[in-house]
Amino acid sequence: DAKTTQPNSMESNEEEPVHLPCNHSTISGTDYIHWYRQLPSQGPEYVIHGLTSNVNNRMASLAIAEDRKSSTLILHRATLRDAAVYYCILSFGGSQGNLIFGKGTKLSVKP
Amino acid sequence: GAVVSQHPSWVICKSGTSVKIECRSLDFQATTMFWYRQFPKQSLMLMATSNEGSKATYEQGVEKDKFLINHASLTLSTLTVTSAHPEDSSFYICSARDGTGGYGYTFGSGTRLTVV
Repeated sequence: DAKTTQPNSMESNEEEPVHLPCNHSTISGTDYIHWYRQLPSQGPEYVIHGLTSNVNNRMASLAIAEDRKSSTLILHRATLRDAAVYYCILSFGGSQGNLIFGKGTKLSVKP
Repeated sequence: GAVVSQHPSWVICKSGTSVKIECRSLDFQATTMFWYRQFPKQSLMLMATSNEGSKATYEQGVEKDKFLINHASLTLSTLTVTSAHPEDSSFYICSARDGTGGYGYTFGSGTRLTVV
C-alpha cells in the first residue's frame, strides 16, 4: 500500500484557516486520497476524499497537487472542536480499497 | 447519514475469558466490515477484513484463532477475543463499507477492552 507522510503535530488559532499537508509520492493512478479525523476515545470521522480534482464539502476542502504526490486538507475557520488527529490515507485500488492508517497529524487549536 | 453502532463501548474482563464485540450498520447494508485495534498514542492498525458470508481475511501477525470474526449478515459483524490476556487490552474499532457502491467507510465509536 502506498504510504503517506504527515507532520506529527500542528497548532492553529481559533477562527483562522488551517492547512494540513500530506505527502504521498508513491501514489498510483487508482489510489484515492481520504482524510479522516479522530477525537480521543472515539472512532474516526470522515472528512473528505478525492482522486484528482480539488474537492469541497461543508467540513473542509481538499487540494490535490497536479502530480498527485501531495495534498492539503484545508479547514477554513478552525474551531476548538476541530482539535483532533487528522489522518491522510490512500486506498489501494479505487475508492473502495482498504484504509490503512498512518500516524496522522495532531492538530491543536488555541482560543 | 450512515451509522455504525458498536457495542459495548467499554468492557473489563478477567484473564482467560472471552469477550464479544458487536458492530452493526444501522441504516445500510455492509457487505464488508473491518476491524482495527489501536493502542494508546498510536494509530489504528487493521486486524482483519470480513465479507458477509465469508471467512475473514486477517492481516499478517494477527492470530485468527484468538480474534474470531463472524459476519453472518449484511448488518452485523462480531469480534470475539478468546482467552483474553492483559496485552489484548486495547481500543477496538470497527468500520463498515456501504455495499451499494457509493462512498462509505463509516466507523463505530470503538470499544475499550481492559483485561485484568
